[in-house]
Amino acid sequence: AQKVTQAQTEISVVEKEDVTLDCVYETRDTTYYLFWYKQPPSGELVFLIRRNSFDEQNEISGRYSWNFQKSTSSFNFTITASQVVDSAVYFCALSEADRGSTLGRLYFGRGTQLTVWP
Amino acid sequence: EAQVTQNPRYLITVTGKKLTVTCSQNMNHEYMSWYRQDPGLGLRQIYYSMNVEVTDKGDVPEGYKVSRKEKRNFPLILESPSPNQTSLYFCASSLSPTGVSPLHFGNGTRLTVT
Repeated sequence: AQKVTQAQTEISVVEKEDVTLDCVYETRDTTYYLFWYKQPPSGELVFLIRRNSFDEQNEISGRYSWNFQKSTSSFNFTITASQVVDSAVYFCALSEADRGSTLGRLYFGRGTQLTVWP
Repeated sequence: EAQVTQNPRYLITVTGKKLTVTCSQNMNHEYMSWYRQDPGLGLRQIYYSMNVEVTDKGDVPEGYKVSRKEKRNFPLILESPSPNQTSLYFCASSLSPTGVSPLHFGNGTRLTVT
């Protein structure tokens, strides 16, 4: 079973629309970390955010916001007023950190391709 | 400039011809890892290393070897490449393996095995 599920394979929006990328994770650990990475068409992987399991506070950074809900095991990513430069593949990832967990393992979702049209 | 450097960026080879993809980081990170990216499958971990001389398998280690003789270098070795190893490979490093710090990725190596 996949530890990180990004059910949306592709999303297309028109510029200025808001868009939410879904991420659902699965873990039995009480301590874990969640990440979002962006992969623009140029191919590099860019870190966007890290969230630990004890911090459910939502975060906003400019047009980006993240909604972490332990009750639904979700860590969704919203882009407000999308722009063409937001076009990229976005990956959600999970790292488990309880004592006894295999440290060093990082589980990625399969990614969501976001296309923003002008 | 803090970075993870992979070489080469592109590599075309034939089945069975041993190859090495190098990875070097200049941030004194303890943790390094290799991933492969395939369409529809996302990023899958191949091997990782918690420190010098400490390596372990990820999700898809078959057909790969790694070594960590020095802190800064973590080469990926394909002793007998096969076409199913055609992929985009990323090396990454971070201060800590537990997720406290994010991964810094190299720019990727696109490998084609014919």
